[in-house]
Parts: sequence; C-alpha cells; structure tokens
Amino acid sequence: KQEVTQIPAALSVPEGENLVLNCSFTDSAIYNLQWFRQDPGKGLTSLLLIQSSQREQTSGRLNASLDKSSGRSTLYIAASQPGDSATYLCAFTSGTYKYIFGTGTRLKVLA
Amino acid sequence: DTAVSQTPKYLVTQMGNDKSIKCEQNLGHDTMYWYKQDSKKFLKIMFSYNNKELIINETVPNRFSPKSPDKAHLNLHINSLELGDSAVYFCASSPTPVDSHGYTFGSGTRLTVV
Repeated sequence: KQEVTQIPAALSVPEGENLVLNCSFTDSAIYNLQWFRQDPGKGLTSLLLIQSSQREQTSGRLNASLDKSSGRSTLYIAASQPGDSATYLCAFTSGTYKYIFGTGTRLKVLA
Repeated sequence: DTAVSQTPKYLVTQMGNDKSIKCEQNLGHDTMYWYKQDSKKFLKIMFSYNNKELIINETVPNRFSPKSPDKAHLNLHINSLELGDSAVYFCASSPTPVDSHGYTFGSGTRLTVV
C-alpha cells in the first residue's frame, strides 16, 4: 500500500528560525514528489516539484531534497516568517496517474 | 488569469439532494482530477480523466459521476447526497497523466450536507 507520512504533524516556532519538515513515502519507484502549501480554507499552492532524477530543488527560502533510496524528502525553510504559517503537504506519484498525499505539517511561525 | 477554477466555492444542501460541482482549466492541460479532502485534511484521489477519458476511478460510490465534455472541463455530479459526503472537493489538472510539471489545483468547493 502506498503511503506518505509527514512528521511533525504540527510545529510552532519563533520568527527567524530555520526549520525542516519531513516526508517519508513507501514506494521507491517514485516518479516525482511535490510539496504544497495550504492556507486555512484555501486551495493548494505548489511550492516545489522534484523529479526522480533530481536530488533537490530550491525556490527562494525553500529547499526540498529527495532521497529515493531511503524514501524520504525534506522541506527546509530558511529564516521563517509569520507569513509562512500554513499546512505543508507532500505528495508523490509512482506513475500510477495519481498523487498520494501525506496528512501534512501544520506550521505556525510566531512574530 | 490562467488557472483551475471551480464553482461553486460553497455548497450547502440537504441529504438526498443531487448536486453538481464544475471545474474548468485554461492551462491547456490534458489531464484533470477530482480529489476529496476530509475533515482530517487528508486528500484522496477520486477520479482522473485524460483527454475526456476516465483513467482513474478510485473505488468511489457510484452516486458520484464525473463528466468531461471536453479536456478543459471536468464536472462532478453527486446523487442522493449523504452526511458523509461533506468535505472539500478539489479539482486539479496536469499537462499529462504522469507528468514532470506536477499538479495545479483549484481553490476547492466546500460541500456541507445537512
């Protein structure tokens, strides 16, 4: 069964901290992995997409890494800001025409 | 604006009613999806269409019937609504079914069945 686990489920940090969100998945035959952000009552915004041939992707203060052999991805957020407060979801596809989603990490950055 | 748009944004209805949710994308994508997000915020795929053809039907009750009149539209019709159908329904699209560009999501339709 394909599953995604995200740890921690919730995280509260003071502004300015660097933080790491973890995602582990069960299928080593991953095609790509995508990190999303979801604000309360809103849709999903794509943050970073990592292809199976890549090890990491960067966008601004965000860096996502992928280790297929261990079935893990991490999302690194540098110098966190209150505006980063949201739920962060990771999802992967192994070429079965669908993404498998984790249950997310709820992040709160305190001013 | 290029986007995936869903209507309505909110839908409150009584048990037993039939309702539809519409989705349109102007991104030129070939593949569209319906996902359901439950009260615990878990997202699970329901259906996927590629060029108007069904490619995923993820053990969804047959009260749910998707329809794709063209590759830019994927609508979801729900018959005989039940309390357990209350959730947020997200439409998404991607250029191809197994894609290097990932998904683009709509903003969701919050369905409440009373």
